Amino acid sequence: DAGITQSPRHKVTETGTPVTLRCHQTENHRYMYWYRQDPGHGLRLIHYSYGVKDTDKGEVSDGYSVSRSKTEDFLLTLESATSSQTSVYFCAISSWVGRDNEQFFGPGTRLTVL
Amino acid sequence: AQSVTQPDIHITVSEGASLELRCNYSYGATPYLFWYVQSPGQGLQLLLKYFSGDTLVQGIKGFEAEFKRSQSSFNLRKPSVHWSDAAEYFCAVVSRNNNDMRFGAGTRLTVKP
Repeated sequence: DAGITQSPRHKVTETGTPVTLRCHQTENHRYMYWYRQDPGHGLRLIHYSYGVKDTDKGEVSDGYSVSRSKTEDFLLTLESATSSQTSVYFCAISSWVGRDNEQFFGPGTRLTVL
Repeated sequence: AQSVTQPDIHITVSEGASLELRCNYSYGATPYLFWYVQSPGQGLQLLLKYFSGDTLVQGIKGFEAEFKRSQSSFNLRKPSVHWSDAAEYFCAVVSRNNNDMRFGAGTRLTVKP
């Protein structure tokens, strides 16, 4: 298995509070991604990073920000959590783009916003 | 608009029976195509992928998929399902022009004894 960890694995928080999820990789892959998984929607890309301090928005980026200060860490922040952000969040990594763009996924973080 | 469709939300098959999970895509040009599997409470694991060449792709765990350009489809098959195959299966596509992976909504597979 690719060396990807996510923390925390479970979190319950209240509406309006800030939340930060962490993704850590030991594979030295250049690309890192944050997805959310909701029933009936599959996985949807929130943000991705193509290098240290290089990030871009995905399909559902509103209400989320990211940071990548080191190759191995990619942080997802909900500045002010809302109930609509209750979801399972997955981090993924890949070493390349295009032809060989196999993404490896972390175990997920289940976030509940009350 | 680019899209990935998995028409079947839930499929039930008997152990030992054959399986086919459907995936259709709508992209300007043939994208790169993937099938992932997710067991309960787990992350996603890649089963197989198609980039070009032979349209029948072999993957892990005895799965295969066939790319049909004329039908914009990439259906996943297995000749004999095992109880351990019960999981959720996701089709995914990546445009050849960017790094944006889009997933279908998933098909949940139940295997009857």
